[in-house]
Amino acid sequence: GENVEQHPSTLSVQEGDSAVIKCTYSDSASNYFPWYKQELGKGPQLIIDIRSNVGEKKDQRIAVTLNKTAKHFSLHITETQPEDSAVYFCAEDNYGQNFVFGPGTRLSVLP
Amino acid sequence: DGGITQSPKYLFRKEGQNVTLSCEQNLNHDAMYWYRQDPGQGLRLIYYSQIVNDFQKGDIAEGYSVSREKKESFPLTVTSAQKNPTAFYLCASTSQGDTQYFGPGTRLTVL
Repeated sequence: GENVEQHPSTLSVQEGDSAVIKCTYSDSASNYFPWYKQELGKGPQLIIDIRSNVGEKKDQRIAVTLNKTAKHFSLHITETQPEDSAVYFCAEDNYGQNFVFGPGTRLSVLP
Repeated sequence: DGGITQSPKYLFRKEGQNVTLSCEQNLNHDAMYWYRQDPGQGLRLIYYSQIVNDFQKGDIAEGYSVSREKKESFPLTVTSAQKNPTAFYLCASTSQGDTQYFGPGTRLTVL
């Protein structure tokens, strides 16, 4: 079956530093890759996404890069702030039927 | 105000009881999904529905049931056959080719 690996599982950074989370997927036919942020006790919220026809997408302090050949995509957060502390999930579409999610990364931004 | 609503936010169940979690969306999305999330864990797919009056089992469907009589509604019943139902339940919806949008979640606790 489809599988998405996500690393690291936990990440601590100092406020103002950058954070990078990487996901690797198995289905070469996948063409849509969203990233979600989940705060404690809440539902995941979409923060950025990328389709396979582009290699990079940026929205203010967050960016996503995609390497289809290597089948991995990464989330980059620059100038981290305490409010960035949350659990981040990557996902890939599964033949348009549903999504396969990574196990999550707990990001802590230390003041 | 468009979005996905889940109710109740907190739910307590005695052992041996069935309970039904509500999920409603006014986004005109065709597909709806139910996930289970255990503490510190990722998202596991319970059931999904691509169209009214049709639904498919996900990875952990045993002990759960669903119905999709209306496009806007996808209720989940946690039956007494689910031996460890205490968890955070998330509902999501999507239009084909788009990302999934999540509700705020229902926290179910078995007493």
